[in-house]
Amino acid sequence: GAVVSQHPSWVICKSGTSVKIECRSLDFQATTMFWYRQFPKQSLMLMATSNEGSKATYEQGVEKDKFLINHASLTLSTLTVTSAHPEDSSFYICSAKEGTILYNEQFFGPGTRLTVL
Amino acid sequence: RKEVEQDPGPFNVPEGATVAFNCTYSNSASQSFFWYRQDCRKEPKLLMSVYSSGNEDGRFTAQLNRASQYISLLIRDSKLSDSATYLCVVTAGGGADGLTFGKGTHLIIQP
Repeated sequence: GAVVSQHPSWVICKSGTSVKIECRSLDFQATTMFWYRQFPKQSLMLMATSNEGSKATYEQGVEKDKFLINHASLTLSTLTVTSAHPEDSSFYICSAKEGTILYNEQFFGPGTRLTVL
Repeated sequence: RKEVEQDPGPFNVPEGATVAFNCTYSNSASQSFFWYRQDCRKEPKLLMSVYSSGNEDGRFTAQLNRASQYISLLIRDSKLSDSATYLCVVTAGGGADGLTFGKGTHLIIQP
């Protein structure tokens, strides 16, 4: 099956710093990538949808200036958490979809666990 | 009202038993439906898609009732390795294909 990687696997940072998370599709071209986050004992929540070469579409309640998404190539999307605070501590997971057919299977990365002190 | 509702469990089931989970979804515009499996502190992995006609994959059977906005998953002859959290997932609908996840049902298979 298709493989999606994320880097880093986990990160611990001080409050106020910015953290960049990378999501890569290793063996396919990802026209669309999605970013989710999961707080403890909560469901995964979609943060934004990113199409290669265009601006990301953010879900209601997600601050686009705080969570910067870049999808500059068909194999790489990045999420930057700017000025991170303890409440941003969460499990961030990306997924990637090949092609433009709606509802094609999404392949998930292994996730990045962010802890903000 | 939550968009996708599931009984969080945990369901403690002896090995070899049959277990069923249900979920309900609120967005009638949802087009696609899935069951995912998530192991502790890992990413979700697709278990199976769900169709109105019902579909089976080995020991797993999924069913969709669009009229009642209800999805089910049946696991037969449960194995220890089936212990995980099972996530009911629907597409957002309206032409968007971001996924809406339930909180999951925690299943523990006991030897």
